[in-house]
Amino acid sequence: DAGVIQSPRHEVTEMGQEVTLRCKPISGHDYLFWYRQTMMRGLELLIYFNNNVPIDDSGMPEDRFSAKMPNASFSTLKIQPSEPRDSAVYFCASSGTGAIYGYTFGSGTRLTVV
Amino acid sequence: AQRVTQPEKLLSVFKGAPVELKCNYSYSGSPELFWYVQYSRQRLQLLLRHISRESIKGFTADLNKGETSFHLKKPFAQEEDSAMYYCALRGTSGSRLTFGEGTQLTVNP
Repeated sequence: DAGVIQSPRHEVTEMGQEVTLRCKPISGHDYLFWYRQTMMRGLELLIYFNNNVPIDDSGMPEDRFSAKMPNASFSTLKIQPSEPRDSAVYFCASSGTGAIYGYTFGSGTRLTVV
Repeated sequence: AQRVTQPEKLLSVFKGAPVELKCNYSYSGSPELFWYVQYSRQRLQLLLRHISRESIKGFTADLNKGETSFHLKKPFAQEEDSAMYYCALRGTSGSRLTFGEGTQLTVNP
């Protein structure tokens, strides 16, 4: 298994542009999580899905952020319009129900908004 | 509500010295505790889980329910141990993990 796959690895965009981050979870995992990591706030849970359904999006900072999971093998996190304060590393993670190994994380997308 | 506290944001030790990264939690039931490690600019990786009582890369962690702690220890730190360490808790109600704020460990030569 290739693990959790995220793309792109790096993204540099101008303020005001739309940014789409992508994630492919591990096959068979029914939970998917989006996290944001910054020096100031550490690791923040933005949203998570169970069986493709959003369960808790209370961590999504603003309406500029949206996430979808159209099927079990793909999820997107979109920021529109992007702002410099959105610059961070965004991680996707997946897990199976009751998985004794916790989460498996992707390599992250390093977003820079200039 | 479940909460994880890592009181030290930064920890610096010399190579060969013992190291302990503190983790305290609050949860009303029986939690599962994990330690994750993140080396520079890499993904978070599972280091160990309390239920397996294992030792990985020389690290151990014991769940102390009386003190609600799950401190990570290593008797002799190595330079390659320098990384960010996150303690995480999973309650019995679901798969969601609650992470602490992390401790950046630096092992000096």
